[in-house]
Amino acid sequence: DTGVSQDPRHKITKRGQNVTFRCDPISEHNRLYWYRQTLGQGPEFLTYFQNEAQLEKSRLLSDRFSAERPKGSFSTLEIQRTEQGDSAMYLCASSLAGSGGNTDTQYFGPGTRLTVL
Amino acid sequence: QKEVEQNSGPLSVPEGAIASLNCTYSDRGSQSFFWYRQYSGKSPELIMSIYSNGDKEDGRFTAQLNKASQYVSLLIRDSQPSDSATYLCAAYTSGTYKYIFGTGTRLKVLA
Repeated sequence: DTGVSQDPRHKITKRGQNVTFRCDPISEHNRLYWYRQTLGQGPEFLTYFQNEAQLEKSRLLSDRFSAERPKGSFSTLEIQRTEQGDSAMYLCASSLAGSGGNTDTQYFGPGTRLTVL
Repeated sequence: QKEVEQNSGPLSVPEGAIASLNCTYSDRGSQSFFWYRQYSGKSPELIMSIYSNGDKEDGRFTAQLNKASQYVSLLIRDSQPSDSATYLCAAYTSGTYKYIFGTGTRLKVLA
């Protein structure tokens, strides 16, 4: 499978615990995005990487959230001291910048569903 | 103020009919637009992208873009029960690195 992969697919944790999610983008894609989606809403932008550089962070991304993409390949999203309000689907997407014209089409991974008890 | 607006639905159409899904956006700098289909509990799946005014057809799907009216639509011909899902509209502005998604329209195709 050459699509975007995410791990784990489901995570149940207790409030106050730390969690880390991993995303492996499509191999040649240099852009990687993290989103959060709650029921009845569209995906909300969290952060964006071009190669290993984190170029944009949403105000939604409080200081409890941190993301890395150390070698410009896979990325991790860590949430510290989880709260019940963090329960959501966390989506990763990747795209190829500079592929010509206006193209910068994102492809999503399967998501990680987080439940904070 | 939401930047991409969609009617949440549900939009119910009989099998075989044309489903028409609409989206408006507020940022005139948006230049690329995308339609994603999302089944319940799954991640969004790309259906179509459109960048220029006019229509773009792909199989049973036609995307329409009118930048003057800041309006994007998706037509699904010969709707099937398997098309029942939430359809997300997204707008991208080059240089902002952001895709802004609407809340989605839930489509129900009745057999």
